[in-house]
Amino acid sequence: EAQVTQNPRYLITVTGKKLTVTCSQNMNHEYMSWYRQDPGLGLRQIYYSMNVEVTDKGDVPEGYKVSRKEKRNFPLILESPSPNQTSLYFCASRPNGVSSGNTIYFGEGSWLTVV
Amino acid sequence: GQQLNQSPQSMFIQEGEDVSMNCTSSSIFNTWLWYKQDPGEGPVLLIALYKAGELTSNGRLTAQFGITRKDSFLNISASIPSDVGIYFCAGHATSGTYKYIFGTGTRLKVLA
Repeated sequence: EAQVTQNPRYLITVTGKKLTVTCSQNMNHEYMSWYRQDPGLGLRQIYYSMNVEVTDKGDVPEGYKVSRKEKRNFPLILESPSPNQTSLYFCASRPNGVSSGNTIYFGEGSWLTVV
Repeated sequence: GQQLNQSPQSMFIQEGEDVSMNCTSSSIFNTWLWYKQDPGEGPVLLIALYKAGELTSNGRLTAQFGITRKDSFLNISASIPSDVGIYFCAGHATSGTYKYIFGTGTRLKVLA
């Protein structure tokens, strides 16, 4: 089954304690990205990666890091989390290119609370 | 970042009624996607549109790619309680970026 898997699904952490949210896809997609979803703001892109070792900032990258050492994995790293990073996070993947059929597949989401 | 204008923001309807929502953009898109998100879950693709004027159905759902390529519409016929959730659109611009832009969502509540 084609899927995007992210972990953990739920996490409560304290300010300043580094954490990593993992993301893995089994569709051999080149493109992966991270979004955060906040009430009234919709989905905002944090970082994206068009292929292995190629990453770039999205709209709200401050306070986050990513890495893309393997095609299937795209972890999101919060080096020093702060309360304003409390949010629902989604990992997503799709093939590269602009041809038809490049739909986005989302993970189930990770609820992160920073206290 | 740019956001699509999606309306309405929320809807309360009676079971059995039809629902319409739409997204508009200042940019021309070559792809429109419609997703549904249940509470606490990830968005699930409902319908994908790739050509201006295209009309595509998925069960009781019908979506259209506007002929101006700057808008799209989603209709749900004969709503049922499990239609509750947040529906949002996503658009892919014709040039310059691989990035999809997302609407802010329409929250649908169905009253039995």
